[in-house]
Amino acid sequence: NAGVTQTPKFRVLKTGQSMTLLCAQDMNHEYMYWYRQDPGMGLRLIHYSVGEGTTAKGEVPDGYNVSRLKKQNFLLGLESAAPSQTSVYFCASSLQGGTQYFGPGTRLTVL
Amino acid sequence: TQLLEQSPQFLSIQEGENLTVYCNSSSVFSSLQWYRQEPGEGPVLLVTVVTGGEVKKLKRLTFQFGDARKDSSLHITAAQPGDTGLYLCAGNPGTYKYIFGTGTRLKVLA
Repeated sequence: NAGVTQTPKFRVLKTGQSMTLLCAQDMNHEYMYWYRQDPGMGLRLIHYSVGEGTTAKGEVPDGYNVSRLKKQNFLLGLESAAPSQTSVYFCASSLQGGTQYFGPGTRLTVL
Repeated sequence: TQLLEQSPQFLSIQEGENLTVYCNSSSVFSSLQWYRQEPGEGPVLLVTVVTGGEVKKLKRLTFQFGDARKDSSLHITAAQPGDTGLYLCAGNPGTYKYIFGTGTRLKVLA
């Protein structure tokens, strides 16, 4: 039982490049979330999903897309990375909106 | 936009001291959670409070939810170096998602 895992752990991109962050959970949770964490700003919700095949925008969705093709996976895509997207990205899952279990994070730097 | 302001932003204290961290909002929340995050890791849930005025204790940590469900506090008694970390509050406005506070970074010196 690995909980929530995130791939990759670190990544450096050049402006304009694209990438996908993968989140996987093995707890059979319905809800999954993508957050970004910046100094002094806590965690801000990017997108979330309340079930397989469904996604919704959070607080800061611009520049990101997501997909939830399988219940256990939630993908976060950056189509054209910008320096403002330099951040630490956290994925979380929960059982019907209750306790959120977080992954270890992905540290992304956009040059 | 709903905001959760935490104070203080930074706190450095000696081992054995007591401290209180505050989480305030102008919005009402159906529940509120407190998390602790250590460097290089994701946040880990400490407690969830759901009733106005509720007080929960977790060993040396005491959590209180305000009567109006707009604010919360975390009190640590006799802090230890192991309490060092980033403390985050998160409020649920009644939807599927939580609004996170700005965080309080605590350092306890031995």
